[in-house]
Order: sequence, then structure tokens, then C-alpha cells
Amino acid sequence: GDSVTQMEGPVTLSEEAFLTINCTYTATGYPSLFWYVQYPGEGLQLLLKATKADDKGSNKGFEATYRKETTSFHLEKGSVQVSDSAVYFCALGPRQGAQKLVFGQGTRLTINP
Amino acid sequence: NAGVTQTPKFQVLKTGQSMTLQCAQDMNHEYMSWYRQDPGMGLRLIHYSVGAGITDQGEVPNGYNVSRSTTEDFPLRLLSAAPSQTSVYFCASNGDGSYEQYFGPGTRLTVT
Repeated sequence: GDSVTQMEGPVTLSEEAFLTINCTYTATGYPSLFWYVQYPGEGLQLLLKATKADDKGSNKGFEATYRKETTSFHLEKGSVQVSDSAVYFCALGPRQGAQKLVFGQGTRLTINP
Repeated sequence: NAGVTQTPKFQVLKTGQSMTLQCAQDMNHEYMSWYRQDPGMGLRLIHYSVGAGITDQGEVPNGYNVSRSTTEDFPLRLLSAAPSQTSVYFCASNGDGSYEQYFGPGTRLTVT
């Protein structure tokens, strides 16, 4: 079945550092790919998405590119802030729409001032 | 516009007890889902619904029942709670063709 694998956490960085969180997937067909973020005590929020190969999703300084050849969707940010501390989830869904998402295990990110 | 609401926020049950986790959305979304979140395992889909009167099983449906009598509500029932059901439960909804699922704030359930 479909699956998503994220890099092991937790990840701790200093403010203004460069961030990469790796995500690879296994899926039949051509899924849509997502990054969700969960701030402490809250539900998940969509951070960015890409719906076809070579698409780049971006939001709040975060970016991820849908790489079909390497089945990857790595999350990057050039300069992280303390407010970026959260748990980040990579997910895949069907080609059309966002129902029946398959999530990775999540990566806890802590940014120190 | 409240989005997706869940009650209760916290619950402690004894093994064998039953309860219903409530979920409601006011965005007129067709699709609603229940997930459980466990450490190191991300979120796993329990049940989902594509519209009123239509439900289907997700990845981990055993021990849970759902029904969808209205577009707005999607309750999750635990008929006989077990310690393995200790988890954080999230309800989510999304509109037809939309790529964004909206999540509720979650219910933290402990079964002793």
C-alpha cells in the first residue's frame, strides 16, 4: 500500500539556520503531496501542497518540490525562526482532492533563539 | 464560522466502557474523516465519510463505529474501550475536490 517515510526527529536548530526535513513516499499512480504543521496543543494545518511532478509548493518561507524520479518531497526553509517550532507531517493523497491522506510519522522541530 | 469542532477535549475511560467522540463542521464539507495520532506513527485513518449516509473503513477501523446522518456531524463510537485505544483523536473535513483538510483541535483519550 501507499506509505510515507520522514526523517527521524527530533530536530533542533538555532534561529536563522537552514532547515531540511526529508520525506520520501511509495504510491501507486500519481498522488498529491502535502506538508502539514501541528503547533503545540493544536490540530494540523496545511502548510503547502503539490499536485503533480515538478510542482513546487511554498508558504511562509517553506518550500517543497515534488520529485517523481526520486519519490521525494523534502521540506526546506532558508532561515528558521523560533515560531517555526512545531511537528511537521508529510502526507500523500489521491490525485484529485485530499481525502484519505496517508501520513508520515512526523518530525518534531525545535528552534532555539 | 467555527470550522471543525470536537468534544470532549480530554476523556478518561475504564476498560470496557463505551463513549462517543463528537465532531461537527459548519463549512458544508462532503468529506469527513477520523484519525488517531500515536507517538512515532503519525496519523492513521480510522473511518471516513464521503457524504451523509455513506461511510467506509480506513487503515485502523477495528473497535470503532461511525455514522453520518447529517452533513455537519460525524461521531466516532468506541463500543468497549481497550488500553490500545489510548491516543489523540482528530476529526477532519474537506470539500469536494479541495486539497486542504481542516482539522479539529483533537480529543485526548486515556483508557485505563
